[in-house]
Amino acid sequence: GAVVSQHPSWVICKSGTSVKIECRSLDFQATTMFWYRQFPKQSLMLMATSNEGSKATYEQGVEKDKFLINHASLTLSTLTVTSAHPEDSSFYICSALAGRTYNEQFFGPGTRLTVL
Amino acid sequence: KNEVEQSPQNLTAQEGEFITINCSYSVGISALHWLQQHPGGGIVSLFMLSSGKKKHGRLIATINIQEKHSSLHITATQTTDVGTYFCAGGTTGTASKLTFGTGTRLQVTL
Repeated sequence: GAVVSQHPSWVICKSGTSVKIECRSLDFQATTMFWYRQFPKQSLMLMATSNEGSKATYEQGVEKDKFLINHASLTLSTLTVTSAHPEDSSFYICSALAGRTYNEQFFGPGTRLTVL
Repeated sequence: KNEVEQSPQNLTAQEGEFITINCSYSVGISALHWLQQHPGGGIVSLFMLSSGKKKHGRLIATINIQEKHSSLHITATQTTDVGTYFCAGGTTGTASKLTFGTGTRLQVTL
């Protein structure tokens, strides 16, 4: 089946530093990937849609200059949290579209970010 | 704006019990997804429905398009079913983004 990986699985960083999270589709090509954020005991909130070879589409309220998304290949999308602050601490999850009609989403295992 | 409402928020079932999680959604949503988030955080897609009913093992998902309502049933719950279940609304078109419900946290007791 379609497998999506994320790296790292967890990261702790100091306030003011930048952190890059990778999302890879391991056995299929994904022209579209999604990035979600999940705070403890809350639901997933879509941050942005990442399209291979073009700019990401951000949801309302998500700062594009703070959450940089790059989808440079059909199997890799990256999310960079720039100048991270404690309020950015969260669980970040990516998903990739696959399937015959490209509306089946396969989720990565998530990355837990803690900003000190 | 697509909206998805889910109930209950928390559910405790005895092993072997039949449980139901409900989801209502707004106009604009034409495909309803059910997903399970394991306690460790990993998310698995269970079903995608645009009409009718689907069954996989002990899990059954139904959707009523006229009433904009979907249900997820688990027959004979097991301890391995613990986690948080989400319904999420999208469209049947390609590259559909999902709007998630608030989730139902399921605990199973022996």
